[in-house]
Amino acid sequence: DIQLTQSPSFLSASIGDRVTITCRASQGISSYLAWYQQKPGKAPGLLIYAASTLQSGVPSRFSGSRSGTEFTLTINSLQPEDFATYYCQQLISYPRTFGQGTKVEIK
Amino acid sequence: QVQLVESGGGVVQPGRSLRLSCAASGFTFSTYAMHWVCQAPGKGLEWVAVISFDGSNKEYADSVKGRFTISRDNSKNTLYLQMNSLRADDTAVYYCARDALLLTGYSSFDSWGQGTLVTVSS
Repeated sequence: DIQLTQSPSFLSASIGDRVTITCRASQGISSYLAWYQQKPGKAPGLLIYAASTLQSGVPSRFSGSRSGTEFTLTINSLQPEDFATYYCQQLISYPRTFGQGTKVEIK
Repeated sequence: QVQLVESGGGVVQPGRSLRLSCAASGFTFSTYAMHWVCQAPGKGLEWVAVISFDGSNKEYADSVKGRFTISRDNSKNTLYLQMNSLRADDTAVYYCARDALLLTGYSSFDSWGQGTLVTVSS
């Protein structure tokens, strides 16, 4: 199975900060990676697919990139509604594994 | 708009069975692959199973293989998860999710239900 390791697991940031979350795959997955946002008590929502394509309706302050087997989710100018947990997911093979999550909290 | 509504969760004793349903609306259900994803209390997301648009192909996580069965009824726009031989560690919120491969050319889970809680306890 492909393993995804997210870092950090937790980060504290302020409104307006630029935040970067990393997801490293245990083997090559090309660009078959998605990012999701989940708020407490809610279902996850798709932010980015194909490593860097923004889902329709998602604010442009969110962006994704890839370098080999390392993927990055960047949030420019963090907004109050962005405090949540973020997950990466690989979509090249089954099982469709998720990273362990990164919780973004208010500093 | 796309809507997915899960039902069927509840409290069940270890070893018993439960069937979850996911009612779909707002899109052509019969053309999309569908997934189940679970989330244990306070934990991360875990993929459970997938079924192809026509039900001919299915894949499962090792943790549920041989115990859970995913199925669909395209005439009723409904996805199912039959859960047998339930264990305490199956306790989780179960979400159904649509695969966006048809729309974008890349697989991703672009629509999710609100989830249904399954608690396995004696």
